[in-house]
Amino acid sequence: GAGVSQSPRYKVAKRGQDVALRCDPISGHVSLFWYQQALGQGPEFLTYFQNEAQLDKSGLPSDRFFAERPEGSVSTLKIQRTQQEDSAVYLCASSQGLASYNEQFFGPGTRLTVL
Amino acid sequence: GENVEQHPSTLSVQEGDSAVIKCTYSDSASNYFPWYKQELGKGPQLIIDIRSNVGEKKDQRIAVTLNKTAKHFSLHITETQPEDSAVYFCAAPYGNNRLAFGKGNQVVVIP
Repeated sequence: GAGVSQSPRYKVAKRGQDVALRCDPISGHVSLFWYQQALGQGPEFLTYFQNEAQLDKSGLPSDRFFAERPEGSVSTLKIQRTQQEDSAVYLCASSQGLASYNEQFFGPGTRLTVL
Repeated sequence: GENVEQHPSTLSVQEGDSAVIKCTYSDSASNYFPWYKQELGKGPQLIIDIRSNVGEKKDQRIAVTLNKTAKHFSLHITETQPEDSAVYFCAAPYGNNRLAFGKGNQVVVIP
C-alpha cells in the first residue's frame, strides 16, 4: 500500500517568502507528526496532531511556523517570511495509534533551501 | 525533556563483520526505544524497537539490547552487508508521544 507522501520534494525560496509543505499520511492513521531535520542531525519534533486536533506545537521554533490538518488526514506546514535558518529537511510521519510505541512511518521529506 | 546521545558518530566495518552502536538517554521513565535507519534522500524507517520490560530483542541479523539501570541501549548488526550502509538513529519518548532522536551514526560497510 501507499506510504506517507510529501510534496514538494524540493523547495527553494527567497528569504522573506512564504512556503507551504504538504503531507499525505497513511490512510486511517490517527496521529501525524512534523519534524525538522538539519544537515547531519537527527529529526527534531515540531508539532503533533491527533486527527484534526493539534495537541502539541511546542516544537515550532517561532510564530512564523503554522501547521494544520483540517479534516484529519492531509496536513500542511506553512512557514511565513522564511529565513536562512529555516533551511532543512521537513519530515512528516504518521502512526496508527496514540501511544509513543506505535510505529511512526516517515515520508521522504521536503528539502527547503532559503536563499 | 529527554536527552538522547549516540556513539560513535561514524563507524566503518568490513563486510561480514559486526557493528555495534550505543545510545544513552536521560529520562529513567522512558519505556520504549526504537532504532531507525535512514538512507540518502529518504525518510527514517523503523528497523527494530524494544520496550523496557525486556532486555534483548532479535530480528534476523539485527538485535537491540537494553540496560535500564545504566540508561543505554545498543543496536547490533551481524554479518554486515553493503546495504547496511546508512545513518542509524536511536530515539526515546518524552511527553505524551513525542520522540527525541539522537544525532545519528553513519555506518559504512566496506566491501
